[in-house]
Amino acid sequence: EADIYQTPRYLVIGTGKKITLECSQTMGHDKMYWYQQDPGMELHLIHYSYGVNSTEKGDLSSESTVSRIRTEHFPLTLESARPSHTSQYLCASSALGQGATTDTQYFGPGTRLTVL
Amino acid sequence: KNQVEQSPQSLIILEGKNCTLQCNYTVSPFSNLRWYKQDTGRGPVSLTIMTFSENTKSNGRYTATLDADTKQSSLHITASQLSDSASYICVVSDRGSTLGRLYFGRGTQLTVWP
Repeated sequence: EADIYQTPRYLVIGTGKKITLECSQTMGHDKMYWYQQDPGMELHLIHYSYGVNSTEKGDLSSESTVSRIRTEHFPLTLESARPSHTSQYLCASSALGQGATTDTQYFGPGTRLTVL
Repeated sequence: KNQVEQSPQSLIILEGKNCTLQCNYTVSPFSNLRWYKQDTGRGPVSLTIMTFSENTKSNGRYTATLDADTKQSSLHITASQLSDSASYICVVSDRGSTLGRLYFGRGTQLTVWP
């Protein structure tokens, strides 16, 4: 079981609200990621970070923003939520282990967001 | 276009039976292929990872195969259990960037009935 946590697990809010999805990992991983996943569909990368003060947009355009002030923390913020933001948001982290040539991403349990 | 296609989309089997899930990809260049298991409402958990030179990788009752020439992979589950009910996702990584970009399949939804 990976030590990566997401809160809240479920969130139902009204349109126009500002929300922050929390993601924390205790493995000391330098890389962290946010994915968006709709039911029955593939994961889409929306943000990633190589380390502190490093953030990049992923493949899928998203109105959300992220920050990486601490290695273990990678929160995602929506300034004004809309029904189109309804989805599951998965956080992941990874690091290249000693002697390894590839790194494996460890996923959090996800936050299921519903915007009414 | 880099893609990962999985089949079947869904599968129902009886407990104790074996099954095989398929993954075809067009990702190039190729770095590695991973199979993840995702329980409903949870994040994916890595089952196996195979690089170009590996043909088979096992993890308990899960055995993954890779044919890098035909760009196909399979995940074989032996003696299925109720807890195997989940979505199985094939993920392919390229060598094109420092990030090692990941391409995700849509998954095969496996249901194991008692």
